[in-house]
Amino acid sequence: EPEVTQTPSHQVTQMGQEVILRCVPISNHLYFYWYRQILGQKVEFLVSFYNNEISEKSEIFDDQFSVERPDGSNFTLKIRSTKLEDSAMYFCASRDTGPGFGPGTRLLVL
Amino acid sequence: AQKVTQAQTEISVVEKEDVTLDCVYETRDTTYYLFWYKQPPSGELVFLIRRNSFDEQNEISGRYSWNFQKSTSSFNFTITASQVVDSAVYFCALSVGYTGGFKTIFGAGTRLFVKA
Repeated sequence: EPEVTQTPSHQVTQMGQEVILRCVPISNHLYFYWYRQILGQKVEFLVSFYNNEISEKSEIFDDQFSVERPDGSNFTLKIRSTKLEDSAMYFCASRDTGPGFGPGTRLLVL
Repeated sequence: AQKVTQAQTEISVVEKEDVTLDCVYETRDTTYYLFWYKQPPSGELVFLIRRNSFDEQNEISGRYSWNFQKSTSSFNFTITASQVVDSAVYFCALSVGYTGGFKTIFGAGTRLFVKA
């Protein structure tokens, strides 16, 4: 059964640096999502993406975040200038009617 | 607005005990999906079950069972004869559709400790 994949599994970065988190959604899905989980907290919706544009975003998804689908397979989340509070697990998801979450990228901002 | 409440923050049981994790949800949508996920210490979200709002049939999968009751907006999860490997954080989640797809709202999670 096809699965969502994410790279890297772990990333450590310095505050103020840019990071790009990558996801390969399930190939025939049309909707793509990013979620975030700060350590010890619940998983929170960040953004959804459909037809090459953002369809909805949460208040967490401010100007430092951006998403794009640079080619037919990858879906990326860019954080332009990372802050300490961006340290979290980031999950990508794609779905038709059921969420398939990727394994997550654990981001640590120092 | 949608909301998922998992009132139990932590539960501790001894191996072989049965344990029920509670989940109460709120939504005005008539079409929605409910999920349970297991999150082990490694951090990934392990999908356990999905139910749609039109299917109230309870489900059993091995030692796991789920009780969906629309009348009380609850979707409880029972582990029978718990094992140490069941120790994890369990999330209940509600997924509702909108023009942009589906949005999944998670509960705060219940941390289950199963002691040998």
